[in-house]
Amino acid sequence: GEDVEQSLFLSVREGDSSVINCTYTDSSSTYLYWYKQEPGAGLQLLTYIFSNMDMKQDQRLTVLLNKKDKHLSLRIADTQTGDSAIYFCAEMRGTYKYIFGTGTRLKVLA
Amino acid sequence: DAGVIQSPRHEVTEMGQEVTLRCKPISGHDYLFWYRQTMMRGLELLIYFNNNVPIDDSGMPEDRFSAKMPNASFSTLKIQPSEPRDSAVYFCASSLFSGGPRNEQFFGPGTRLTVL
Repeated sequence: GEDVEQSLFLSVREGDSSVINCTYTDSSSTYLYWYKQEPGAGLQLLTYIFSNMDMKQDQRLTVLLNKKDKHLSLRIADTQTGDSAIYFCAEMRGTYKYIFGTGTRLKVLA
Repeated sequence: DAGVIQSPRHEVTEMGQEVTLRCKPISGHDYLFWYRQTMMRGLELLIYFNNNVPIDDSGMPEDRFSAKMPNASFSTLKIQPSEPRDSAVYFCASSLFSGGPRNEQFFGPGTRLTVL
């Protein structure tokens, strides 16, 4: 299909790990992205991964890519209340056309 | 830099009225994007410009929507006439093509539009 799919909600306890999943559609996407949207604000780039990589780690963030299944995940270690936000995965079609997922609303419980 | 600036932040209008949303991209950026965000449809790309020229407007829902970019520092998204189903948060984003992997888009704070 045309859609980039994500589950809508995720709730975790502070200090636990969060895993946000995404299924994308275009196997030719060179880069895949994770954006974060805090309440009342626009999106901000969190991290990205090149399609020839399986994993990328950046401090508390780990991105895993399974190209065969077109599956992307974002793991946040030691989740904090400040991580509560909406997380969007995105694929790039063409030079500059992002296709965003539906967004996963992460709620961190103290 | 102040980032991407959008105005107004909130707009409430009545069905049938014309609505104009404004965007000032980051200085020096050569791409500008308009998105619409709703609970039902998520984040949708409406149109994007490169060097002030519209490149892809396939996401514009219908003829009631139009977008212009008269110069590198200003863009408008107009809805005429507006309808209740246009209620959403509209984001403007800008980017500088670098040829590198990031291709990061910088988003404005959004305009929350409510059409009664």
